[in-house]
Amino acid sequence: KNQVEQSPQSLIILEGKNCTLQCNYTVSPFSNLRWYKQDTGRGPVSLTIMTFSENTKSNGRYTATLDADTKQSSLHITASQLSDSASYICVVSADGSGNTGKLIFGQGTTLQVKP
Amino acid sequence: EAGVAQSPRYKIIEKRQSVAFWCNPISGHATLYWYQQILGQGPKLLIQFQNNGVVDDSQLPKDRFSAERLKGVDSTLKIQPAKLEDSAVYLCASSKDILSYEQYFGPGTRLTVT
Repeated sequence: KNQVEQSPQSLIILEGKNCTLQCNYTVSPFSNLRWYKQDTGRGPVSLTIMTFSENTKSNGRYTATLDADTKQSSLHITASQLSDSASYICVVSADGSGNTGKLIFGQGTTLQVKP
Repeated sequence: EAGVAQSPRYKIIEKRQSVAFWCNPISGHATLYWYQQILGQGPKLLIQFQNNGVVDDSQLPKDRFSAERLKGVDSTLKIQPAKLEDSAVYLCASSKDILSYEQYFGPGTRLTVT
């Protein structure tokens, strides 16, 4: 069964600190893995997209890693800011036909950054 | 460029009533998606359109949910009759085409069924 599991479910950190969010997946065939940020009351916004051949990708203070062998990904946030408070969703695309729209979503990690 | 537009933003209805949501994708985007996001969960795909044709509606509860994209641009999602378990945020997303990695999401419509 295709599944995406994230941990922790929620996280509270102090402003300026770093944190790492985890994502494990059992999806086949694998096409790509994405991390989305979803602010409260908003739709998800893409942070990074990684294909099978990429093992790291950065977007400002966000760095995603991918280990396709162990089927694990992480999202590292450096020097957190209050605006980083949001839900972070790991999403895996799985479709052998090339339809990259077939996405499997994790349940998300809710991050709260406190001053 | 303008983003994905959705309306209404919020809707409260009683069970067994009907409701419709509207989505206007980014101009020129051929692929449109409707997702249901229940509180505390990730979005679940309900239906995917390529232009005005349905690509995937395998998770759409067809006994009560319907969607259309008649001219390959705007789309409407309808629930008739609504159940309590339909309370969720309904997200619309679009992408340039079916092979495009990037999906752009609208702000969603929060539906509460009482």
